[in-house]
Amino acid sequence: DSGVTQTPKHLITATGQRVTLRCSPRSGDLSVYWYQQSLDQGLQFLIQYYNGEERAKGNILERFSAQQFPDLHSELNLSSLELGDSALYFCASSVGFMGQGAREQYFGPGTRLTVT
Amino acid sequence: QQPVQSPQAVILREGEDAVINCSSSKALYSVHWYRQKHGEAPVFLMILLKGGEQKGHDKISASFNEKKQQSSLYLTASQLSYSGTYFCGTEGMDSNYQLIWGAGTKLIIKP
Repeated sequence: DSGVTQTPKHLITATGQRVTLRCSPRSGDLSVYWYQQSLDQGLQFLIQYYNGEERAKGNILERFSAQQFPDLHSELNLSSLELGDSALYFCASSVGFMGQGAREQYFGPGTRLTVT
Repeated sequence: QQPVQSPQAVILREGEDAVINCSSSKALYSVHWYRQKHGEAPVFLMILLKGGEQKGHDKISASFNEKKQQSSLYLTASQLSYSGTYFCGTEGMDSNYQLIWGAGTKLIIKP
């Protein structure tokens, strides 16, 4: 158990819909990262927050957005869902952020999103 | 630019050694190694920093050649529990605060 929690574990929804994925980082971690992993593929970095502020953006679609709240939990919002958005979405947390001496990331169990 | 991992997959017998390589075209600040078992979250193995020493724990170690922008992960006397997909993540010297991940190397250990 990494200490990072994600809800829900599974999500099945229809095309065009909007969903929210939730992540709570490990106690004491200020950075939250969101990743997308399609079936048997690598990890695609989406976005990173550090202590409530956006720190880095990867290949995140305009239909996707995220935020980190004062209690440090984070939410990833996916809208106008398409079949190709079906994937495993991971949240990870770390004490600091990249460039601060490189911090290990602890991953949550993931949310499996299926768009039908 | 995604780092290139090789090989894509490898099958070993328990007790054999394996080497997984990660190569980048960019100048790197750090290389991170993670292992992911099927259906589970990636688990941190180690970080290698520019100018740092070779790291390792138990029978898994890694090196970082800064001049070649390459890192290698060494698994010695592999155990069944080593099975999974190994990912390297690279942090560039441009320090845009994100890891770029390789496509992964699938390692299968047979008894």
